[in-house]
Amino acid sequence: NAGVTQTPKFQVLKTGQSMTLQCAQDMNHNSMYWYRQDPGMGLRLIYYSASEGTTDKGEVPNGYNVSRLNKREFSLRLESAAPSQTSVYFCASKPTNQETQYFGPGTRLLVL
Amino acid sequence: QKEVEQNSGPLSVPEGAIASLNCTYSDRGSQSFFWYRQYSGKSPELIMSIYSNGDKEDGRFTAQLNKASQYVSLLIRDSQPSDSATYLCASSTNAGKSTFGDGTTLTVKP
Repeated sequence: NAGVTQTPKFQVLKTGQSMTLQCAQDMNHNSMYWYRQDPGMGLRLIYYSASEGTTDKGEVPNGYNVSRLNKREFSLRLESAAPSQTSVYFCASKPTNQETQYFGPGTRLLVL
Repeated sequence: QKEVEQNSGPLSVPEGAIASLNCTYSDRGSQSFFWYRQYSGKSPELIMSIYSNGDKEDGRFTAQLNKASQYVSLLIRDSQPSDSATYLCASSTNAGKSTFGDGTTLTVKP
């Protein structure tokens, strides 16, 4: 099992550009999450999806949209990137009967 | 006030010593508590979870929970240089969302 995979690993954008961060899990988990982590800080929840077809806002959703394409995939879209969105983005998944989250390797995004 | 607060670091201990990491939470509805370890440039990995008051031991790690005081701690016995990392405390309600603290960076000096 690959676990949770994320693409791309690194990305540089110019202000105003758009992009989609991809996340996939092969553990048959129902719940999936997108977090951002700024230097010296913990993880802040952007959006989450409790099950296929549902999404909910987290702590910092402004400037982002998400799509739960199917049970495996949960994408995060930046429509118009801003320098404040420079961060490391982590995707995570969680089985229904546990509270433990499993994290992907992260995407490092730099917005100039 | 942040929902999950961790003692400010960085924390430095000599090899073989006990490292003590502390965390408080504000949401009394929190049911589950976690300690994640994050090496520099890597993703968080779960090392301990605790759900009821008291101590939970796993090898060199002991998690302690006191719901009345809204306090969670992690003790690392016989600290090793490989334990040098940032430790993130997290709490979770039954809604399935976790809230993370800002982390405490631990350095174990040989």
